[in-house]
Amino acid sequence: QKEVEQDPGPLSVPEGAIVSLNCTYSNSAFQYFMWYRQYSRKGPELLMYTYSSGNKEDGRFTAQVDKSSKYISLFIRDSQPSDSATYLCAMKNFGNEKLTFGTGTRLTIIP
Amino acid sequence: EAGVTQFPSHSVIEKGQTVTLRCDPISGHDNLYWYRRVMGKEIKFLLHFVKESKQDESGMPNNRFLAERTGGTYSTLKVQPAELEDSGVYFCASSQGVVAGGTYEQYFGPGTRLTVT
Repeated sequence: QKEVEQDPGPLSVPEGAIVSLNCTYSNSAFQYFMWYRQYSRKGPELLMYTYSSGNKEDGRFTAQVDKSSKYISLFIRDSQPSDSATYLCAMKNFGNEKLTFGTGTRLTIIP
Repeated sequence: EAGVTQFPSHSVIEKGQTVTLRCDPISGHDNLYWYRRVMGKEIKFLLHFVKESKQDESGMPNNRFLAERTGGTYSTLKVQPAELEDSGVYFCASSQGVVAGGTYEQYFGPGTRLTVT
């Protein structure tokens, strides 16, 4: 069983819609939860990170972590065509810099 | 400021040959990481350097892979001899400084796409 599970999609939504991306995990030692965005032929770029449980908002993006359910989410409001990319969740333990990634969800925003 | 750079961007080699990948981290970043993504799978950690020392090499798949970071600057990842299953995209990342909450932001390079035929 993979430590981090993520639906690979693809996911297509119309411009302006709310997008919900999710990951589940099995390792209860994970304390840091990240969302990366990756455009084609580029490296992953950190969007947001959250320490432990709770919500974090940054502009149109909201990250949620529910450690009791081992479930994390990324919401994108008022989605734009420029949001079209692959979104990867990643997690790590405290004191260890090794990132464990999900497979990524390919998202397309249709104008 | 220049980001993480990797060379080459793409390499095609035959099974049994040797390939060396290079990564130049962001200037001043002491932490350097190698990751790999094989087709259809998730990005997986290979190893972590702090300056020139290997902090964690738990993800290195076998002894055909050798990573070095001479002088704590750029790093190389050599695969010798290459096998078909080594094909994938090899990412390098670097980090420096602790973000509030006690973790480092890792900045990724564009990756080297390795194809072993």
